[in-house]
Amino acid sequence: GAVVSQHPSRVICKSGTSVKIECRSLDFQATTMFWYRQFPKQSLMLMATSNEGSKATYEQGVEKDKFLINHASLTLSTLTVTSAHPEDSSFYICSARDFQGREKLFFGSGTQLSVL
Amino acid sequence: SQQGEEDPQALSIQEGENATMNCSYKTSINNLQWYRQNSGRGLVHLILIRSNEREKHSGRLRVTLDTSKKSSSLLITASRAADTASYFCATATRGSSNYKLTFGKGTLLTVNP
Repeated sequence: GAVVSQHPSRVICKSGTSVKIECRSLDFQATTMFWYRQFPKQSLMLMATSNEGSKATYEQGVEKDKFLINHASLTLSTLTVTSAHPEDSSFYICSARDFQGREKLFFGSGTQLSVL
Repeated sequence: SQQGEEDPQALSIQEGENATMNCSYKTSINNLQWYRQNSGRGLVHLILIRSNEREKHSGRLRVTLDTSKKSSSLLITASRAADTASYFCATATRGSSNYKLTFGKGTLLTVNP
């Protein structure tokens, strides 16, 4: 089956630093990738949708200058949390939709970000 | 905004029993999907039901969809301890430019051995 690799799985950083999270589709081409944020015992909140080669579409209330998304190739999307603060601590999950546009999504294993 | 609302929020059953989880949503959808999430991990797709379908089966899973009531249910039969996880419904909508999947709050299922 389709595999999405997300890295790192866990990161601890100091307040004010930037953190980059990578999301790779390993055995398929992902024209669209989604970035979600999840708080403990809560649902996934869609942050943004990225299409290869174009600017990401951010959901209402998500700061695009704080959460930089790049989808430069059909197999890689990155989320950079800039100038991270403790309130940015959360579980971030990426997902991908394949080139054939199948309706189910393939998820990465998530990144737990802790900002001190 | 959250589209799906699962019910119950938490469910604890014994191995071998059936588990039923419900999901309600608010707007028109293209399809509805159920996902499973083990603690601290990503989500795994379980089953998809289209808006013109009423029932679908996959192994021990049975999903129903009632578009008039804007609700869906997921039934797991003969549950196993390994089924312990959070289960989310997700509604798929297609906007002017994007396909979007919106998740509900989830049901935490605990299957006791």
